[in-house]
Amino acid sequence: GAGVSQSPSNKVTEKGKDVELRCDPISGHTALYWYRQRLGQGLEFLIYFQGNSAPDKSGLPSDRFSAERTGESVSTLTIQRTQQEDSAVYLCASSLNLGRGTEAFFGQGTRLTVV
Amino acid sequence: GENVEQHPSTLSVQEGDSAVIKCTYSDSASNYFPWYKQELGKGPQLIIDIRSNVGEKKDQRIAVTLNKTAKHFSLHITETQPEDSAVYFCAASTLGGQNFVFGPGTRLSVLP
Repeated sequence: GAGVSQSPSNKVTEKGKDVELRCDPISGHTALYWYRQRLGQGLEFLIYFQGNSAPDKSGLPSDRFSAERTGESVSTLTIQRTQQEDSAVYLCASSLNLGRGTEAFFGQGTRLTVV
Repeated sequence: GENVEQHPSTLSVQEGDSAVIKCTYSDSASNYFPWYKQELGKGPQLIIDIRSNVGEKKDQRIAVTLNKTAKHFSLHITETQPEDSAVYFCAASTLGGQNFVFGPGTRLSVLP
């Protein structure tokens, strides 16, 4: 597709369940980023990928969060044993190169609600 | 690591007036500064960016200025319109392949 695609757009899950969020970056973009945005708040960095490698996982809030990327394409963010404080919009972005002055384009986000 | 501050957090202007949002960054190695506009229920959209080798860039009603010495950059919107109402985020990207660090955002309201 022409832009970054995220699925699902909305997800409601029960506390304690695992969820998997998907990001399809723009074709050819080697860098991929995940951010979390709580209601009315800014963008909280979670993790980025350069190709399939994630050099910086320091933003992941806890060991319940993990992410992977395969084939320099699709990335999945997995949250295990979800908690209510995980409720937020999870945004994915991709860029041609990591940082270095190239634009990052965002998807529409996945709104996660943990009940 | 990089730290980006943004002011004001909220801004209300009358339609037709100008709006200015300011950001400061801490890492002198940062070399790329994009601005994003986020409308309700949507992902952030890149509206303008500037690289450290220029001091100003303009695109129709939107302009961005950069002062590398003072480590601050600003977004200027002239002749504001109601559809400019949104949350605006600044960001800084550091050399060496780090991620984008975002400011906390400014909620702009353009009053008709």
